[in-house]
Amino acid sequence: AQSVTQLDSQVPVFEEAPVELRCNYSSSVSVYLFWYVQYPNQGLQLLLKYLSGSTLVKGINGFEAEFNKSQTSFHLRKPSVHISDTAEYFCAVSDTRGNKLVFGAGTILRVKS
Amino acid sequence: GAGVSQTPSNKVTEKGKYVELRCDPISGHTALYWYRQSLGQGPEFLIYFQGTGAADDSGLPNDRFFAVRPEGSVSTLKIQRTERGDSAVYLCASSSPTRNTGELFFGEGSRLTVL
Repeated sequence: AQSVTQLDSQVPVFEEAPVELRCNYSSSVSVYLFWYVQYPNQGLQLLLKYLSGSTLVKGINGFEAEFNKSQTSFHLRKPSVHISDTAEYFCAVSDTRGNKLVFGAGTILRVKS
Repeated sequence: GAGVSQTPSNKVTEKGKYVELRCDPISGHTALYWYRQSLGQGPEFLIYFQGTGAADDSGLPNDRFFAVRPEGSVSTLKIQRTERGDSAVYLCASSSPTRNTGELFFGEGSRLTVL
């Protein structure tokens, strides 16, 4: 079984500042890792994913994440945030069949002007 | 529209009543998932269909919850004898078998409130 811990429930940050949203996972088997974003009044959408290969993964809207197997982490980063990045971000893990995602509790990113 | 459609978007019911929530996945997506999201928590897996059959129903909390997908497209999540603890947003997602492993396309959810 897999589990995900998102270490911060809320992250406030000023516009144009860098941000890192932390995610740690636990699994006894190889995993796929994902970040999903939920904008206000919208459904969840995929931001980026790690399946295999390069541990640095780039996603939409300038976000990237790095898979660190030794630290069991998959932190999400953006060098310069915009007001429009205000949303809730969910880290998720699955086994390599990819059939059942286990989500973290989410991190609310609040970008202030 | 081309996305996952869920109805109703909001449902208020009384304790003990029966509720049905409907999901219409993206055309051609053979995999369909139901998740439940309680306030302040991430989505919690309930059940996964591959075609018409439930491939994994290990997340259904008890026998009051049941889901069907009779023709391999639209799915209905059924909750009997609702309890206040069933109040949550019920999310449906679908995925394509041929591309983007692990990418689920989510609907906007059905918010269930049990009074």
